[in-house]
Amino acid sequence: DQQVKQNSPSLSVQEGRISILNCDYTNSMFDYFLWYKKYPAEGPTFLISISSIKDKNEDGRFTVFLNKSAKHLSLHIVPSQPGDSAVYFCAASAGNAGNMLTFGGGTRLMVKP
Amino acid sequence: NAGVMQNPRHLVRRRGQEARLRCSPMKGHSHVYWYRQLPEEGLKFMVYLQKENIIDESGMPKERFSAEFPKEGPSILRIQQVVRGDSAAYFCASSRDRVGAKNIQYFGAGTRLSVL
Repeated sequence: DQQVKQNSPSLSVQEGRISILNCDYTNSMFDYFLWYKKYPAEGPTFLISISSIKDKNEDGRFTVFLNKSAKHLSLHIVPSQPGDSAVYFCAASAGNAGNMLTFGGGTRLMVKP
Repeated sequence: NAGVMQNPRHLVRRRGQEARLRCSPMKGHSHVYWYRQLPEEGLKFMVYLQKENIIDESGMPKERFSAEFPKEGPSILRIQQVVRGDSAAYFCASSRDRVGAKNIQYFGAGTRLSVL
């Protein structure tokens, strides 16, 4: 039972263009959402997060959008850079149900120069 | 300001041996989490600990796996009598407080366990 899904295993984008990574969830108890970036042989690095009381959070080139009614969130990276090439994981937590993060399966982003 | 430190980075064990994975949280963090990542999959929660207490072990296999976070020293994830299916990357994360509105989990580089 995958509560967090990233349906695109990979995405290829040209340098300078926008990258849009998508994530869907099923558990309506999730109230906090995070995006992590992961390079091979390294641990996930926190990128950006959003609380369920918001629908948008922006940090530099990264913006996360949350659509609670659709149980969908997306990460926009603009402009995309070759150094952004990595695997991106979305994760969710339910504040009143413990501290565990539930991760999606990841999307591999390749930004071509 | 060191991040989350995990050691060893790579661990090779034969079937039936014990594996011990260590994690030192970030300075000022008292909450530790262990996750496991199988090849081509996302991370799966295993256990959440605070100092000297296991808070949530709902993701831990019922047998052979145990975790501790003693008053002094690192958190330890222990796998007894390892089998080939235990081969995975094990990540530790720490946070200053409960994850919820504002507290983020920061991850170590992981320990890659290979069982021969």
